[in-house]
Amino acid sequence: QKEVEQNSGPLSVPEGAIASLNCTYSDRGSQSFFWYRQYSGKSPELIMSIYSNGDKEDGRFTAQLNKASQYVSLLIRDSQPSDSATYLCAAHAGNNRKLIWGLGTSLGVNP
Amino acid sequence: GAVVSQHPSRVICKSGTSVKIECRSLDFQATTMFWYRQFPKQSLMLMATSNEGSKATYEQGVEKDKFLINHASLTLSTLTVTSAHPEDSSFYICSAPTLASGNTDTQYFGPGTRLTVL
Repeated sequence: QKEVEQNSGPLSVPEGAIASLNCTYSDRGSQSFFWYRQYSGKSPELIMSIYSNGDKEDGRFTAQLNKASQYVSLLIRDSQPSDSATYLCAAHAGNNRKLIWGLGTSLGVNP
Repeated sequence: GAVVSQHPSRVICKSGTSVKIECRSLDFQATTMFWYRQFPKQSLMLMATSNEGSKATYEQGVEKDKFLINHASLTLSTLTVTSAHPEDSSFYICSAPTLASGNTDTQYFGPGTRLTVL
């Protein structure tokens, strides 16, 4: 069974610190990976996608992909209280356009 | 990014009634849309894949006669919860995939519909 695993947390970091969120996936056929942020009571919003090995940066966010280790991570620099949310990792499930979802990591940024 | 809307955002109904939820892709065409359900403090659960021009594909354990899906056009999918009961109270979210920059098929979510069945 194809799976995506995340540490459920909660992860707590002080304001201004780097938050590191990690995700592993089981299907070596997955080619694209996504990080979504979900605030309580709201729907998920896309933060970043990544499909090439290495780092991809967008503002305060950096996604990292290591296909050999089947590992995806998200770094949030200069964490702000507004970053407090649940972060969902997802992987494409092949050619049917579905995503395989992790259960999410809850992040709290303390002022 | 692409924009997906949902209507209504919130609905309260009596047990036994049916509720229709609409999902629209506003600035792109979506031959496929996904319907999710999320209970409080739980993860997303994929209910079904909505396909324009053909029948929806339901995930294991989801009753297709209870959750009717119609993909009426390239920009509209509807989910009807038939004979709703209190246990159907949940947050229903749709998403639509489209090719984003770099040709990565990316899902964009609607804002969700909170259903409360009394």
